[in-house]
Amino acid sequence: QKEVEQNSGPLSVPEGAIASLNCTYSDRGSQSFFWYRQYSGKSPELIMSIYSNGDKEDGRFTAQLNKASQYVSLLIRDSQPSDSATYLCAVRETGRRALTFGSGTRLQVQP
Amino acid sequence: DAGVTQSPTHLIKTRGQQVTLRCSPKSGHDTVSWYQQALGQGPQFIFQYYEEEERQRGNFPDRFSGHQFPNYSSELNVNALLLGDSALYLCASSNPGGSDYGYTFGSGTRLTVV
Repeated sequence: QKEVEQNSGPLSVPEGAIASLNCTYSDRGSQSFFWYRQYSGKSPELIMSIYSNGDKEDGRFTAQLNKASQYVSLLIRDSQPSDSATYLCAVRETGRRALTFGSGTRLQVQP
Repeated sequence: DAGVTQSPTHLIKTRGQQVTLRCSPKSGHDTVSWYQQALGQGPQFIFQYYEEEERQRGNFPDRFSGHQFPNYSSELNVNALLLGDSALYLCASSNPGGSDYGYTFGSGTRLTVV
């Protein structure tokens, strides 16, 4: 069974701090990785995509991918209370068109 | 530019009934995927439609079926509803030909089975 694993949290950080969210995946051949943000009662919203090893930065967000370790992370700098949400990691596994999602990590940013 | 639209927003059905959920993809997207999200869980893949055919299916029983129309819109049908089918049903559209092959989600349909 191919899996995407995330710590459910909640991860609590103070306002202005760096939040670090982690995800591991089991399919070594996976090529595409995504982070979605989901506010309570709302649908997921795409934040970042990453395809190559290393870091990808977009504003306050940095996605990091390490295919050898089968590990993808999301860093949120200068965390704001409005960042409080559930963050979903999604992976496109080998030979599959669909995305497989983790169960999400709930982030709480304390003012 | 309209995003992904889903209807209805909320639905209450009785156990054993049948339900149809509808989705219109984002303009320019030709692929529609359906997900079920139970409370506190991540979205679980049901199936994906492209060129009016089911291209991939998740681990869901045959009670779950779908259709894609020539205008790329899609329906999800669930027969013989069970209490456990209560969830948020998400439609996601995508364009595999695009450079960033991510999904755009609709706002979802909240199905409650009583």
